[in-house]
Amino acid sequence: AQSVTQLGSHVSVSEGALVLLRCNYSSSVPPYLFWYVQYPNQGLQLLLKYTTGATLVKGINGFEAEFKKSETSFHLTKPSAHMSDAAEYFCAVTPSGGYQKVTFGTGTKLQVIP
Amino acid sequence: DSGVTQTPKHLITATGQRVTLRCSPRSGDLSVYWYQQSLDQGLQFLIQYYNGEERAKGNILERFSAQQFPDLHSELNLSSLELGDSALYFCASSVNVDRGEQYFGPGTRLTVT
Repeated sequence: AQSVTQLGSHVSVSEGALVLLRCNYSSSVPPYLFWYVQYPNQGLQLLLKYTTGATLVKGINGFEAEFKKSETSFHLTKPSAHMSDAAEYFCAVTPSGGYQKVTFGTGTKLQVIP
Repeated sequence: DSGVTQTPKHLITATGQRVTLRCSPRSGDLSVYWYQQSLDQGLQFLIQYYNGEERAKGNILERFSAQQFPDLHSELNLSSLELGDSALYFCASSVNVDRGEQYFGPGTRLTVT
């Protein structure tokens, strides 16, 4: 079984500041990891994913995440926050071998202060 | 626009009733997933279909059922509705049984009164 923990249900940053959203996972086999974003009154949208290969993954809107196996982490970062980044962000994990369901974290709401 | 469509956008109904939510996946996607999102439970995976067959089940109640039709659209049936079933219901699709890269629809907001 796998699980995802997102530290901090709410994060506030100033416009132009670094965005860091934390995600830790547990999985008995190598995982596939994902970050999704949900804007108000919309469905989730894939930001980026890690499956195999390079551990630093770049996504849309200037976001990136680094897979750190030793720390079982997949934190999401963006160097400079923009007002349009205000949304809820979900980390998700699924085992890489065979088929099993995707497990989503509880989400982190990002507030960007002007 | 993800290419996934869901109808209706909003649904208000009474306890004990039955409703059907409809989802059309992106063109070419064979997998359809259903999720429930509520304030207290967060985002919960309900069920997945691939090319008409059930592939995985999550936290889906026995009062809920789903199916995927030959044209690949899917319906989620919710019966004997309770106040606690009020939530956003999302459908997502993907090309194959790839588990994570899913494209989400805009959701159906269900209110049970």
